[in-house]
Order: sequence, then C-alpha cells, then structure tokens
Amino acid sequence: AQRVTQPEKLLSVFKGAPVELKCNYSYSGSPELFWYVQYSRQRLQLLLRHISRESIKGFTADLNKGETSFHLKKPFAQEEDSAMYYCALSTVSGSARQLTFGSGTQLTVLP
Amino acid sequence: EAGVAQSPRYKIIEKRQSVAFWCNPISGHATLYWYQQILGQGPKLLIQFQNNGVVDDSQLPKDRFSAERLKGVDSTLKIQPAKLEDSAVYLCASSLLGGDTQYFGPGTRLTVL
Repeated sequence: AQRVTQPEKLLSVFKGAPVELKCNYSYSGSPELFWYVQYSRQRLQLLLRHISRESIKGFTADLNKGETSFHLKKPFAQEEDSAMYYCALSTVSGSARQLTFGSGTQLTVLP
Repeated sequence: EAGVAQSPRYKIIEKRQSVAFWCNPISGHATLYWYQQILGQGPKLLIQFQNNGVVDDSQLPKDRFSAERLKGVDSTLKIQPAKLEDSAVYLCASSLLGGDTQYFGPGTRLTVL
C-alpha cells in the first residue's frame, strides 16, 4: 500500500532564509507526486506537480526515486509563503486516480 | 469559473444523530471526491465518483456512511448514526475525467458532541 510521510509538523524560518519541506513516499509502482498548499482561510490548492518540473512562486521539488523523496525547496522564503503544505502521491487503480496525502507541514516565515 | 461549492460550512450534532453534506463540483468535471480530514492529519479519500458511478469506496465506513451523485453532478454524503470520531472536516473535490489536478471546496467542519 502507498504511504506519504512528512516528518515535520511545524517548520519556522526567517524571511530570506532557504526553506526545505521534506516528503518521503512508499509505493511499488511509478510515482506521480504533488505538493498542495492551504493558505490561511483559503482552500486546499495545487502548488506543483513533479511531472511538470516547474517552479511555482519560487518553489521547486525534485523527485528522487533512489531516496523515495520529493522535498519542496525555496531559496529565499517570503512571509506570504506561510501556509500548510501537503505532499501527495497519485496512483491509478483501474479507472480511478487517487491521491494519498501526507499529514502536512505548517510553515511559518518570520519577519 | 466558479469553484467547488459545499454546504453547510459548519455543523454541530450529537452522537447518534444523522447529518448530510452537499457538494456541487466545477461544471464539466466528471470526477468527484469526498475526503475526511481529521485534525492534524492529511485528507483521506472516502469515495470517488466518475459521473454518477462509484469507482472507489474502499475506505468508506459503509455501516454508517453513504454517498450518492445523482445525475452525475451534485453529490451528498451522509453519516447515520454519527460517532464522536467522525468529528472532522469533510472536503469535496472535483477534476476533469483523467485529470491529475483536483480542485477542492471550502469543506464542512463537523463537530460531534
């Protein structure tokens, strides 16, 4: 069965400092990984997907199959990055595409 | 475009009562999901519909939870009877058929006393 682990429930950094949110997964197939974000009083929304290899709001994430990790990184954190971040693994079973979420990391960027 | 709509936003009930949640997905989204998010945890999938058919309900506690999606658009999730451990936020999400991006509603926060 698939599993997503985010080891840090809380993470605080100062504005301008680098930030890395850790995500490890367990899955026997070919993984598709995502980062979702929930800002205060807003809906859960997609931040980025590994397959796009894109940078969104300065965030990047690289899939490391050897270490089964998909850590989210940003070189210079901003106060508006403060939010709850969820790593998610997408799997397909028959006609169903499903997301398995980690337990989330609350990022606080201090002024 | 309008996002996923859910109602009510908050609900407080006593244990053993019943409760229902409603979800209206984004127009044209064939796939609809219901998630349960307990405090301190990530969302957990309860049930997934494609149009008006169930494609996965393996994690739905079927002795007390039920869901339907009549006409392949709106959906309702019901709990009967509720238990204390059902206190959670219930999220509805939708996606295009085969799409990898899910769009979430604001959620319904359920408190069972």
